[in-house]
Amino acid sequence: NAGVTQTPKFRVLKTGQSMTLLCAQDMNHEYMYWYRQDPGMGLRLIHYSVGEGTTAKGEVPDGYNVSRLKKQNFLLGLESAAPSQTSVYFCASSRGGVMIYGYTFGSGTRLTVV
Amino acid sequence: EDQVTQSPEALRLQEGESSSLNCSYTVSGLRGLFWYRQDPGKGPEFLFTLYSAGEEKEKERLKATLTKKESFLHITAPKPEDSATYLCAVQGRGTSYGKLTFGQGTILTVHP
Repeated sequence: NAGVTQTPKFRVLKTGQSMTLLCAQDMNHEYMYWYRQDPGMGLRLIHYSVGEGTTAKGEVPDGYNVSRLKKQNFLLGLESAAPSQTSVYFCASSRGGVMIYGYTFGSGTRLTVV
Repeated sequence: EDQVTQSPEALRLQEGESSSLNCSYTVSGLRGLFWYRQDPGKGPEFLFTLYSAGEEKEKERLKATLTKKESFLHITAPKPEDSATYLCAVQGRGTSYGKLTFGQGTILTVHP
């Protein structure tokens, strides 16, 4: 009964380094999302996916790339980290389709870029 | 563009002191309004979905209501364990693929 699992939970990067955040869900959800959460700015959508092999840009996509090669996994990549990408990153999933469903969130990844 | 504004930013209550949190929204046709609870260091946890004006939903000490312009989260006789950040989000008919627009949240602290 894991739900949505994010790895790693914490990471410190130097400016210019790259890394990949992994999100895995075991609920057979179609839709997956990456959000970042910053103080005073709420949750902002970075990228999302409506199914295996699909990705789309959200509100703040610059500096990030994503891939969804398998339905259960959604990867968020930072090719060249910048201090402005210091944030808490949340992955979420939902069933998708014409019905309206809430999200199931992961526990987050706290990323610091120095 | 969908917008969500939550007030107050922070609320301090004594145990047993009832109050309400506000979520004002503008959206091009509301499909759903969501309330989430977020504990420090954790991801948001789903509480309620409201779909149309006049709808109400309850869970323990929490009751969510919806009008055409805002939603309220009423907390009756709160306990210290109700302390958390409460997030409101909307999905409008102009958005696709289940995307939600979130407010900044209200930080609730309940003192014993």
